[in-house]
Amino acid sequence: GAGVSQSPSNKVTEKGKDVELRCDPISGHTALYWYRQSLGQGLEFLIYFQGNSAPDKSGLPSDRFSAERTGGSVSTLTIQRTQQEDSAVYLCASSLEGPHTQYFGPGTRLTVL
Amino acid sequence: SQQGEEDPQALSIQEGENATMNCSYKTSINNLQWYRQNSGRGLVHLILIRSNEREKHSGRLRVTLDTSKKSSSLLITASRAADTASYFCATTGANNLFFGTGTRLTVIP
Repeated sequence: GAGVSQSPSNKVTEKGKDVELRCDPISGHTALYWYRQSLGQGLEFLIYFQGNSAPDKSGLPSDRFSAERTGGSVSTLTIQRTQQEDSAVYLCASSLEGPHTQYFGPGTRLTVL
Repeated sequence: SQQGEEDPQALSIQEGENATMNCSYKTSINNLQWYRQNSGRGLVHLILIRSNEREKHSGRLRVTLDTSKKSSSLLITASRAADTASYFCATTGANNLFFGTGTRLTVIP
């Protein structure tokens, strides 16, 4: 079956602009995660959605970052007033439930000029 | 922090040799996972070892876990050029996985 997909694959934006990143999880997966990976670094947890429960937003670095998940499926990560330090690869993952084996999308490489 | 730390940060070997990567973590775990990442994009799950397991095999992969030392190792036997990638260990938090900074493996043909 189809894996996790993300769009766009690459995004170049100017400082101060807003961006929206999209994630389509594997069908039937109730858990969805967003991570950020800066160049040569490990993954930084951003936010977690599980079913209809309130999301765990504890990893969001600032109030410029927000995410939503509509209908328990597609998720959008929004970064407002982008800064150069937001440049990174943003990875989405889904799992059947909970934080166990996760299936990752190919990521969106964001470059803020 | 529960984040794992891999060692070494980078490893370069000849094709056919074995590669060993180590991971240390700080808190009690239910399980530990290893993931592989090619070219800085999506991660692929390789293997999961539970806290009550000491060793697990999957093809050319062998993972060990020592909960008393809070450490794990990933051994790739008979390496191939296609094994070139970054390898991450991950421990399970309440709502997410905690990833280390990874080991960059280069297998020279």
